[in-house]
Amino acid sequence: DIQMTQFPSTLSASLGDRVTITCRASQSVNSWLAWYQQKPGRAPKLLISKASTLKSGVPSRFSGSGSGTEFTLTISSLQPDDFATYYCQQYHTYSTFGQGTKVEIK
Amino acid sequence: EVQLLESGGGLVQRGGPLRLSCVASGFKFNDYVMTWVRQAPGKGPEWVSSISGSGGYTYYADSVKGRFTISRDNSKNTLYLQMTGLRAEDTARYYCLYTSTWYQEFDYWGQGTLVTVSS
Repeated sequence: DIQMTQFPSTLSASLGDRVTITCRASQSVNSWLAWYQQKPGRAPKLLISKASTLKSGVPSRFSGSGSGTEFTLTISSLQPDDFATYYCQQYHTYSTFGQGTKVEIK
Repeated sequence: EVQLLESGGGLVQRGGPLRLSCVASGFKFNDYVMTWVRQAPGKGPEWVSSISGSGGYTYYADSVKGRFTISRDNSKNTLYLQMTGLRAEDTARYYCLYTSTWYQEFDYWGQGTLVTVSS
């Protein structure tokens, strides 16, 4: 089974900060990686697929990069709506999600 | 407009059975792989099971293999998850999702249905 490890698990940041979340796969998943945003009481929302393809309607301050085993999600300038938990998902072999990174207000 | 309406969740005793349903609309149901993903409180989502468009192929996570059965009724646009031998660790919100291929990101999530296993 492919394991996904995200870090940090919690991130404290201020409005306007540049934020980076890392996701590491236990073996190569090529570029078959997605990022989701989840707010309390809501279902996850897809932000990025295939490591770096921004879903239509997602603000351009979100970007994804990486391939193989190491991936990053970057928020270029943190906005109030961005305080949430973020998950990565590999879909190279079945599907595995990371344990999440909670972005909270500093 | 795509709709996925999950139902059947609730409080169940450890060891008991429960059947979840998901009624789909807004897309050609039998053309798509259907998947159950669950999310325990405070945890990341976990893939549970997937089924091919025809229903002829099914896959399960090791954590549920032998206890859960995924099925579909294409005449009713409905996906099912029959759960038996429920454990406390099966407590989660269960989502049904659809994709055009086996391995894909999940673009549309419904509200899910909450399963609570009491000990």
